[in-house]
Amino acid sequence: EDKVVQSPLSLVVHEGDTVTLNCSYEVTNFRSLLWYKQEKKAPTFLFMLTSSGIEKKSGRLSSILDKKELFSILNITATQTGDSAIYLCGVRGGSEKLVFGKGTKLTVNP
Amino acid sequence: KAGVTQTPRYLIKTRGQQVTLSCSPISGHRSVSWYQQTPGQGLQFLFEYFSETQRNKGNFPGRFSGRQFSNSRSEMNVSTLELGDSALYLCASSWPGTGAGLNTEAFFGQGTRLTVV
Repeated sequence: EDKVVQSPLSLVVHEGDTVTLNCSYEVTNFRSLLWYKQEKKAPTFLFMLTSSGIEKKSGRLSSILDKKELFSILNITATQTGDSAIYLCGVRGGSEKLVFGKGTKLTVNP
Repeated sequence: KAGVTQTPRYLIKTRGQQVTLSCSPISGHRSVSWYQQTPGQGLQFLFEYFSETQRNKGNFPGRFSGRQFSNSRSEMNVSTLELGDSALYLCASSWPGTGAGLNTEAFFGQGTRLTVV
């Protein structure tokens, strides 16, 4: 059964800190790994990773995938209060099913 | 281009009743997935429909069912509601959602907040 594990489940930091969120997975016939940010209701798309070692970057956020070790990290530098959210990691395998982990709740205090 | 639309946004039901939730995907998207989100549990996969066929199913009891119409709109039904069914139900659409190399992101709706009392 496809499985995604995120850590930590909860994280509290101060503005300006750098954070690293982790996502490990077990899936049959890996296709892609996706990161989402959920502030209110609808998760919004951040990154999609399909190849190992290629960093995806958007402003202060970046992510990388290691297909050998079956994990991905999401880095946020110089955090701001607006980064407070639940960050979701999802993995799509050969079945086309997109399975998510429990998420990491990030709180950034001023 | 309109996003994913879920209706209703909020719903209060009594134990034992049944409920139907609706999801209209982005125009042209053929895959619709449903998720249940409760505090601390992340997004738990319910099922996925592609071209009117259920392609994947999660580990939920048979009280949870769904269908997809020819215009790709999808409905989810929960019968004999229990208190534990109170949750945010999210649907996500993607295109085309099939075929090696055709990796695409999923777009989420705003969700339906179901409260069972």
